[in-house]
Amino acid sequence: EPEVTQTPSHQVTQMGQEVILRCVPISNHLYFYWYRQILGQKVEFLVSFYNNEISEKSEIFDDQFSVERPDGSNFTLKIRSTKLEDSAMYFCASSEGINSPLHFGNGTRLTVT
Amino acid sequence: AQSVTQPDIHITVSEGASLELRCNYSYGATPYLFWYVQSPGQGLQLLLKYFSGDTLVQGIKGFEAEFKRSQSSFNLRKPSVHWSDAAEYFCAVGAESGAGSYQLTFGKGTKLSVIP
Repeated sequence: EPEVTQTPSHQVTQMGQEVILRCVPISNHLYFYWYRQILGQKVEFLVSFYNNEISEKSEIFDDQFSVERPDGSNFTLKIRSTKLEDSAMYFCASSEGINSPLHFGNGTRLTVT
Repeated sequence: AQSVTQPDIHITVSEGASLELRCNYSYGATPYLFWYVQSPGQGLQLLLKYFSGDTLVQGIKGFEAEFKRSQSSFNLRKPSVHWSDAAEYFCAVGAESGAGSYQLTFGKGTKLSVIP
């Protein structure tokens, strides 16, 4: 069964550095998402992406964050000038569209020191 | 705005016993409802979904859930739990956000422990 793959599985970075989290969505999916889960808290929506543009973003997704689909397969989340509170598990997801469920990757654990 | 409540933080059941995990949602329109499971160190795996139609939905691994509009609930059930079902279970409600996408709002999760 096709899956969403995320790399790396764990990323450690120093405060103030930039990180790029990478995702390869399922190949025939059209909608892409990033969610995050701070340890012990709920999984939270960050952003949705369709047709090469952001469809919706949450209040968490401020100017520090950006997403890109640089080629036909990758979907990336960039976090500029990381802060301690950005430490979380970041999940990428994709779907075929409305009436189709989201399929999640295994996540990237980001640790900001 | 939509919200999801999973009232049980942690449940322990014996292997072979039946299981029901509770989920209540708040959403103004007909919701899309989901249950996901997360094993330690793993991602979120879809167990089952409700979009419309039959209110009793079957999922993978022998799980089922029933959508009850009058109670705003979508409880997850399994008649006989296996040790491998130990994991964290998340209920989620989906709200359309235009252009065919929708935003999931998750509950805080219920951790299931299974004793032999």
